[in-house]
Amino acid sequence: ETGVTQSPTHLIKTRGQQVTLRCSSQSGHNTVSWYQQALGQGPQFIFQYYREEENGRGNFPPRFSGLQFPNYSSELNVNALELDDSALYLCASSSPGGTYEQYFGPGTRLTVT
Amino acid sequence: SQQGEEDPQALSIQEGENATMNCSYKTSINNLQWYRQNSGRGLVHLILIRSNEREKHSGRLRVTLDTSKKSSSLLITASRAADTASYFCATEEGSGTYKYIFGTGTRLKVLA
Repeated sequence: ETGVTQSPTHLIKTRGQQVTLRCSSQSGHNTVSWYQQALGQGPQFIFQYYREEENGRGNFPPRFSGLQFPNYSSELNVNALELDDSALYLCASSSPGGTYEQYFGPGTRLTVT
Repeated sequence: SQQGEEDPQALSIQEGENATMNCSYKTSINNLQWYRQNSGRGLVHLILIRSNEREKHSGRLRVTLDTSKKSSSLLITASRAADTASYFCATEEGSGTYKYIFGTGTRLKVLA
């Protein structure tokens, strides 16, 4: 166990709806990254938060947004859900100046119907 | 887009045999990491090799890195059924960014 938790575990939403996924980082880690992993693919970087500010973004549209809170937990929000948003969403926490290792949570499986 | 490409896409071996999987990447790197993922769950960090290292060992794992060929390999010796998982290589975008680009993965099945 990495100490990174995510909620919910599974989620089913309808196309056009909005969803919020949550992540609690490992104690002492101030950086949280979010990844989308489609079935049979590797994780794709969505964005990263460092000390409550977005610190880089992958090739995802603006309807993917996020927040980081003072306790370094984080949220991923997706608006206007599309069928292709169905995937496993992973968050990973890390501590700059550390070992470069990212600690992943178990993921949230989102299904859009 | 995926930075790394793992090869093979899938591998099935008998318990006790060695498993080798390869990763190729496109840009210069500071380090390369290997992760394991069981049944679509979270990824577990296995080993990191820095760009100035050529080989690294951790238990039954051996990783090599050839920066001239932009490739790495992961060897699992004396495989066990519990090693059944997907294995991914990951490289960092830039330096010190903690933004990792993952390959497409190798799905390893170890038969008891």
